[in-house]
Amino acid sequence: GESVGLHLPTLSVQEGDNSIINCAYSNSASDYFIWYKQESGKGPQFIIDIRSNMDKRQGQRVTVLLNKTVKHLSLQIAATQPGDSAVYFCAENNGDDKIIFGKGTRLHILP
Amino acid sequence: GAGVSQTPSNKVTEKGKYVELRCDPISGHTALYWYRQSLGQGPEFLIYFQGTGAADDSGLPNDRFFAVRPEGSVSTLKIQRTERGDSAVYLCASSSYRYTEAFFGQGTRLTVV
Repeated sequence: GESVGLHLPTLSVQEGDNSIINCAYSNSASDYFIWYKQESGKGPQFIIDIRSNMDKRQGQRVTVLLNKTVKHLSLQIAATQPGDSAVYFCAENNGDDKIIFGKGTRLHILP
Repeated sequence: GAGVSQTPSNKVTEKGKYVELRCDPISGHTALYWYRQSLGQGPEFLIYFQGTGAADDSGLPNDRFFAVRPEGSVSTLKIQRTERGDSAVYLCASSSYRYTEAFFGQGTRLTVV
């Protein structure tokens, strides 16, 4: 099976609320994690990354949290906007420079 | 170029034919990845190049699939005797070195009829 997966396939969030997208990974050798956003008909777009020597990293409106104890990764999007509607993938570098993607979570913004 | 470029953007081919998909990475990026994405799924790893050599080709599904990167820049994914199950979006990505994000192209949508 895949080593990276997501808990929920679809997440609906009210515009203006915060979104939290979760991801579990199983490879303890993974040392680099990336969140990508993919809009329909486009390639994945980098959002934010984090190395395994960190447990939190913040960007513009986004925060990634890494819990290595339970092999869990999350993406928090503050003040969700209509333009945030997309499929979000977590991906891991498994230590062999191979970036492995999970199945994705579709984020749906409610007006 | 400014980003990763993939050509063609769409390719329709008949079952049994040979196809080539091209990827122009960001200039100076040494790492290049090929992925395949089916509808509703995440990108599936196919092959990874570091420079001219294939560092990891463990994701290639069978020997009908082959990829080259002869000069360490442009890469071509080659599929022989295409099957309907090969229909997918083929994505290419490049990165400058380890622990940096990979930048993706728009993909080539391959349809085998």
